[in-house]
Amino acid sequence: KQEVTQIPAALSVPEGENLVLNCSFTDSAIYNLQWFRQDPGKGLTSLLLIQSSQREQTSGRLNASLDKSSGRSTLYIAASQPGDSATYLCAVRSGGSNYKLTFGKGTLLTVNP
Amino acid sequence: NAGVTQTPKFQVLKTGQSMTLQCAQDMNHNSMYWYRQDPGMGLRLIYYSASEGTTDKGEVPNGYNVSRLNKREFSLRLESAAPSQTSVYFCASIQGGVLETQYFGPGTRLLVL
Repeated sequence: KQEVTQIPAALSVPEGENLVLNCSFTDSAIYNLQWFRQDPGKGLTSLLLIQSSQREQTSGRLNASLDKSSGRSTLYIAASQPGDSATYLCAVRSGGSNYKLTFGKGTLLTVNP
Repeated sequence: NAGVTQTPKFQVLKTGQSMTLQCAQDMNHNSMYWYRQDPGMGLRLIYYSASEGTTDKGEVPNGYNVSRLNKREFSLRLESAAPSQTSVYFCASIQGGVLETQYFGPGTRLLVL
């Protein structure tokens, strides 16, 4: 059974700092990995999707990397802003045609002005 | 496009009462999903529908039933609500293929007393 772990559970940083969120998964036979953002009381918004054959994806100040063999992914946020404050969730698709995702419990990020 | 919509946004039930959570998407997606999100547990898949006319159990299906009414709508029914079903419920949909990001609704907050 696939298990996804995110470390740290919570992170508080001053504005402008670069930061890294970590995600690990137990079964390396994944199809892809996604990072989502969740604002308080809201649904999830997809940030980045990395296919198993890729090493990284970038979108603006966000960069996600994937090391499938070691079962790890990182989300790098450059020059953090208070608007980045949210919960960040990592999810993996472990193959098959039903697109089911296994989620980590998330990292609660607070960026202080 | 409204994306994925869910009704109601908030509901309070007494133990033993029944209710149906509604979900609709206007993106012509094939697959739809129901998740529950609990503190410290992350998102867990309850049921999913890979295509119109099919439904399958996810990780935590007990106490729930689903109906894929048509391609747009996927409902979740609690026949006899229990306090353990107090949670935030999210519906999601996906087209599949290369662009397989899941789109999430805003959630339904359910309190069972």
